[in-house]
Amino acid sequence: AQSVSQHNHHVILSEAASLELGCNYSYGGTVNLFWYVQYPGQHLQLLLKYFSGDPLVKGIKGFEAEFIKSKFSFNLRKPSVQWSDTAEYFCAVLYAGNMLTFGGGTRLMVKP
Amino acid sequence: EAEVAQSPRYKITEKSQAVAFWCDPISGHATLYWYRQILGQGPELLVQFQDESVVDDSQLPKDRFSAERLKGVDSTLKIQPAELGDSAMYLCASSFRGGTYEQYFGPGTRLTVT
Repeated sequence: AQSVSQHNHHVILSEAASLELGCNYSYGGTVNLFWYVQYPGQHLQLLLKYFSGDPLVKGIKGFEAEFIKSKFSFNLRKPSVQWSDTAEYFCAVLYAGNMLTFGGGTRLMVKP
Repeated sequence: EAEVAQSPRYKITEKSQAVAFWCDPISGHATLYWYRQILGQGPELLVQFQDESVVDDSQLPKDRFSAERLKGVDSTLKIQPAELGDSAMYLCASSFRGGTYEQYFGPGTRLTVT
């Protein structure tokens, strides 16, 4: 069965630190890749997505992610985090058959 | 901005009781999804509708769970009887169509089974 792994369950950073959250998936075929974010008390919302083309994709609020096909990875990055980035981040993969599979999530806490 | 509506937001029920959740997708969205999110895990798809038809319910525990979208608009997810292991957040999402269209999520219903 297809799976999505997020290696870091909890991350604590100080403001202005750089962020990288790991995401790996198991399927070797065509995939579409997403990062979702859930801010405290809010709905899940899309941060960015990759379908094809440039493997470096930019999303909202200064986030970006790089698709590395050979490593089955889609890591999320931000050069300088802010307190308002405190949230839970979910990597998700859309496999053939249209079923979106989520990773277990990473809770990010940014200390002011 | 249009949003996916869900009710109730919180539900506490005793095991063996029946419970139902309601979802109203964004207007014009043909595809509706029900997910279950256990604490500490990512959402897991339970059922996907395209209009009023079920597209995928392979992860739905059909002995106790049922879902319907009779008129292709709002949807109801039912659990009967509820078990302790059903305690979770139940999320509804909708998209314009299935596939790669962005899914918009509702606030969820947090179910606690005692």
